[in-house]
Amino acid sequence: GDSVTQMEGPVTLSEEAFLTINCTYTATGYPSLFWYVQYPGEGLQLLLKATKADDKGSNKGFEATYRKETTSFHLEKGSVQVSDSAVYFCALMDTGRRALTFGSGTRLQVQP
Amino acid sequence: SQTIHQWPATLVQPVGSPLSLECTVEGTSNPNLYWYRQAAGRGLQLLFYSVGIGQISSEVPQNLSASRPQDRQFILSSKKLLLSDSGFYLCAWSAGTSIDTQYFGPGTRLTVL
Repeated sequence: GDSVTQMEGPVTLSEEAFLTINCTYTATGYPSLFWYVQYPGEGLQLLLKATKADDKGSNKGFEATYRKETTSFHLEKGSVQVSDSAVYFCALMDTGRRALTFGSGTRLQVQP
Repeated sequence: SQTIHQWPATLVQPVGSPLSLECTVEGTSNPNLYWYRQAAGRGLQLLFYSVGIGQISSEVPQNLSASRPQDRQFILSSKKLLLSDSGFYLCAWSAGTSIDTQYFGPGTRLTVL
């Protein structure tokens, strides 16, 4: 079945550091890939998505590229801020499915 | 614009008591609706989804049930709560041209004691 694997957290960075959160997936079809963010005490918000190989999703300075050859969708940001502290979830929706499969989430803590 | 509501925001219930969580969506018609659960320290698990009134698909056998009495209303229920039902319950919807993109409500934090 479908699955998403994310790097274990928490990830602790200083403000303005470079961020990478790794995500790899397995799927039977041609999935769409997503990153969701959950700020403390809130529900999930869509951060970015990519629907086919080599697509790059971007939003709020975050980027992720759909790499079919390595089945990866790593999240990156060049300069993190304290306000980026949250839990980040990688997810996929496989062909013909109507529901998302989520990774376990990675907590990011950015210190001033 | 579309809005999704969930209530209550927090709930503390004793083991064996019933449960009813409600989710409503505004600003869209015939949405797909979803219930997810996030247990402490874990990712999200899909519990149920619905593509229309009275149409419910269950992803994981469990102590919970779902109903969709109206187009934009989705209810999660249990007759007798277990300790393992504690968690953060999220409702989501998707529709239109971006059916693969889901939008989440604020969630309900349930603690079963």
